[in-house]
Amino acid sequence: GAGVSQSPRYKVAKRGQDVALRCDPISGHVSLFWYQQALGQGPEFLTYFQNEAQLDKSGLPSDRFFAERPEGSVSTLKIQRTQQEDSAVYLCASSLLAGTGELFFGEGSRLTVL
Amino acid sequence: AQSVTQLDSQVPVFEEAPVELRCNYSSSVSVYLFWYVQYPNQGLQLLLKYLSGSTLVKGINGFEAEFNKSQTSFHLRKPSVHISDTAEYFCAVSDSLSGGSNYKLTFGKGTLLTVNP
Repeated sequence: GAGVSQSPRYKVAKRGQDVALRCDPISGHVSLFWYQQALGQGPEFLTYFQNEAQLDKSGLPSDRFFAERPEGSVSTLKIQRTQQEDSAVYLCASSLLAGTGELFFGEGSRLTVL
Repeated sequence: AQSVTQLDSQVPVFEEAPVELRCNYSSSVSVYLFWYVQYPNQGLQLLLKYLSGSTLVKGINGFEAEFNKSQTSFHLRKPSVHISDTAEYFCAVSDSLSGGSNYKLTFGKGTLLTVNP
C-alpha cells in the first residue's frame, strides 16, 4: 500500500489477555519504529528495527512487551497479560533512513484494557 | 536525554488570523527539531524539520518555524490560518549525533489548534 498500515485499529481486551498488534510499513523502508501514545500525551518511543534487527528496545515498559520483525517487513507488537495501564494508542512508523526524523506514521491501534 | 515542552495545550484562533505554537526543548547535545501534525483520524505527518543550516525553516501548508539556539526554542508560525489547519501539532527533538540515538524522537504533549470561522 501507499502508507503505513496498522491492524486492528481498535482492540478491547480484558485484563490478563494477550494482544498482538500488526504493522505493515511502506515497502522498501528499512527502519521501523513503535511508539506508545497515552491519552493527552505525545508519542513515546518503544522500540526500533533496522530491517529484521531490533537495535533498540529501551522504551518497552516491561518484559510483557515484545516486538518482532522477522523478515524485515511486517512487524508485530505483542503485549502479554495486559494491564489497564497498557491502554493507549500504539503507533507504528517507518522511514527510508533512520536519523533524519522523516517518519511516516500509521493511524495507530487503540488498545483499551478493561 | 532530551525533553520538549509545548507551552499551550490548546490554541483557539479565528480564520485568517496569525498563529504561533510554542515549543521549547532541553538537551545536553546538539539536536534536530521537528514539527508533526495530526489531523483528525489520521496518522502523524511531518510538517517541517530543522537539521542544520538556515534557522528559518519552511514547511508544508504555509507553516514555518525558527530555531533559536540561545532560547532553546522552535516555535511554529503561520501568518494566516484556515479552517483546515485545525489539528494537533507535536514538536519533537532528537539528538544529532551520528552513531548515537538520532533515530529516537522525543515528542511534546501536543497543542490542539482550533480554527474557528
